[in-house]
Amino acid sequence: NAGVTQTPKFQVLKTGQSMTLQCAQDMNHNSMYWYRQDPGMGLRLIYYSASEGTTDKGEVPNGYNVSRLNKREFSLRLESAAPSQTSVYFCASRDRIANTGELFFGEGSRLTVL
Amino acid sequence: EDQVTQSPEALRLQEGESSSLNCSYTVSGLRGLFWYRQDPGKGPEFLFTLYSAGEEKEKERLKATLTKKESFLHITAPKPEDSATYLCAVLGFSGTYKYIFGTGTRLKVLA
Repeated sequence: NAGVTQTPKFQVLKTGQSMTLQCAQDMNHNSMYWYRQDPGMGLRLIYYSASEGTTDKGEVPNGYNVSRLNKREFSLRLESAAPSQTSVYFCASRDRIANTGELFFGEGSRLTVL
Repeated sequence: EDQVTQSPEALRLQEGESSSLNCSYTVSGLRGLFWYRQDPGKGPEFLFTLYSAGEEKEKERLKATLTKKESFLHITAPKPEDSATYLCAVLGFSGTYKYIFGTGTRLKVLA
């Protein structure tokens, strides 16, 4: 059981380049999330998808877009990368139906924007 | 304002030296308090959920407790493999559900 899988694990971009982070979960969860983690700031929510076909902004959505492609997949796109987007990005999923609350995280995507 | 504060930021223990990590919170409509463990270069891994004051959960050398204002993660006789960052998070509800994470406590257990 793979859980939550993120690709790529590492990426270096130049300012202004675009890229998409991919996330897939195999636990049949309804809700999926994208967080960024920066030193001293904790995990901050970028976007989330409560269920297939819906997406909503989180705490820090500016500069990002998301797509909930199907129940399994939730992608995060940076249209024009900026150095401030250098961070570690985590995708997570939750079983909203069971309503147990805990999040299941991927291993992270480490992005550097030069 | 909803917030989660963890202390200390970092903690060094000798193997076998028990201690506690603190998570203080203010949140509207608490639906649960969560503890996660995060190893370097990995994503957070779920440990415990606590739902109401007075509740306790245990797993091996870890025990989590909850009051109306804070939670403690007690580590009894820690081993080097317990070294990690421990994250606390709360799930609140005030019209919409909202997770709030603390910045974590970095624990180092020395052999």
